Amino acid sequence: QKEVEQDPGPLSVPEGAIVSLNCTYSNSAFQYFMWYRQYSRKGPELLMYTYSSGNKEDGRFTAQVDKSSKYISLFIRDSQPSDSATYLCAMTRVWGNMLTFGGGTRLMVKP
Amino acid sequence: EPEVTQTPSHQVTQMGQEVILRCVPISNHLYFYWYRQILGQKVEFLVSFYNNEISEKSEIFDDQFSVERPDGSNFTLKIRSTKLEDSAMYFCAISGGGAYEQYFGPGTRLTVT
Repeated sequence: QKEVEQDPGPLSVPEGAIVSLNCTYSNSAFQYFMWYRQYSRKGPELLMYTYSSGNKEDGRFTAQVDKSSKYISLFIRDSQPSDSATYLCAMTRVWGNMLTFGGGTRLMVKP
Repeated sequence: EPEVTQTPSHQVTQMGQEVILRCVPISNHLYFYWYRQILGQKVEFLVSFYNNEISEKSEIFDDQFSVERPDGSNFTLKIRSTKLEDSAMYFCAISGGGAYEQYFGPGTRLTVT
């Protein structure tokens, strides 16, 4: 079983749709969860991070963590064509330690 | 948001040669990381560096690799005797200054021929 799994997509949605991106993980020791956005051949850009279970909102983005199910989500409201990118989840046991990444989900938002 | 630059943006080298990839944080940070991403694959952790010492490394980071901070600002990754399978994007990340989230640089694309 892979440590962190993401559906690779591509996920294609119309502009304005609500997007749901998800990751599952197997290591219950993970405590800190991050979402990165990556454009083609660019570095990952940090979008949000959360600690343990719960929700966190930042503008159009909401991150959710359910540690009991080992499942994290990123919701994007009012999606825009500029949101088209690959979204990577990442997680770590200890803040500042190595990140373990999912394989990424490619999102396409069509005008 | 902390900024970090990487040089070169693209490096082409022949198998067996040594390469040095550089990471330059715009401001002072305490923690430095190297990750790599083979085309179409996951971002993988290589090594973390704190207080002039390696603090954590992965199985990938074997004797072929080394890191140092030669002048107190640049952070380098040296790959000795490169192999075809070393072809990948190499990302530097930084954190610190009271926060531990990791910010990534734009990457160096390494092509080994």
